[in-house]
Amino acid sequence: GAVVSQHPSRVICKSGTSVKIECRSLDFQATTMFWYRQFPKQSLMLMATSNEGSKATYEQGVEKDKFLINHASLTLSTLTVTSAHPEDSSFYICSAMSDTQYFGPGTRLTVL
Amino acid sequence: GQQLNQSPQSMFIQEGEDVSMNCTSSSIFNTWLWYKQDPGEGPVLLIALYKAGELTSNGRLTAQFGITRKDSFLNISASIPSDVGIYFCAGRWTNAGKSTFGDGTTLTVKP
Repeated sequence: GAVVSQHPSRVICKSGTSVKIECRSLDFQATTMFWYRQFPKQSLMLMATSNEGSKATYEQGVEKDKFLINHASLTLSTLTVTSAHPEDSSFYICSAMSDTQYFGPGTRLTVL
Repeated sequence: GQQLNQSPQSMFIQEGEDVSMNCTSSSIFNTWLWYKQDPGEGPVLLIALYKAGELTSNGRLTAQFGITRKDSFLNISASIPSDVGIYFCAGRWTNAGKSTFGDGTTLTVKP
């Protein structure tokens, strides 16, 4: 199957700072990538659909100014959590479309 | 919007037993996907189904795309301790579209 990487795997930051998470498709080009958020013992919650070269499509209730998504190339999408607060602490997972949908290993964000 | 009901929510079984879980939808899908997620990791694709009635195996795992296109099941035969994890079903309407995920089935296997 296709390989998707995420960096960093975990990050701890202070409240008010911004954090950038990278998602890369390693062995294929992905015109579409997705960003999910997952709370403990819950399912995946889609935040936004990232399309290469165009603006991301955000799900209802997700603040686009808080969660900035950039998909500048066919192998890289980034999610920036701006002015992070403790309630933004979560597990963020990206996925990329190849023949089907493949997921990255996730990024654990902890905001102090 | 589309909703997926995945059941059971959790299962506690003895090593060696067979496992069955399923997903039903309020609307039809063109693709059904089954993933497994280990703690602290991203979901890993187990089986992808693209055609109504399709039955596909991956080792001890077997999944079927329901004839009505509104349901799918996943069976695991002769479970082993490393089968422990959360299993998610997902349905998709178009090849490039977003998937709708079930709430997951948490599997615990007792040695």
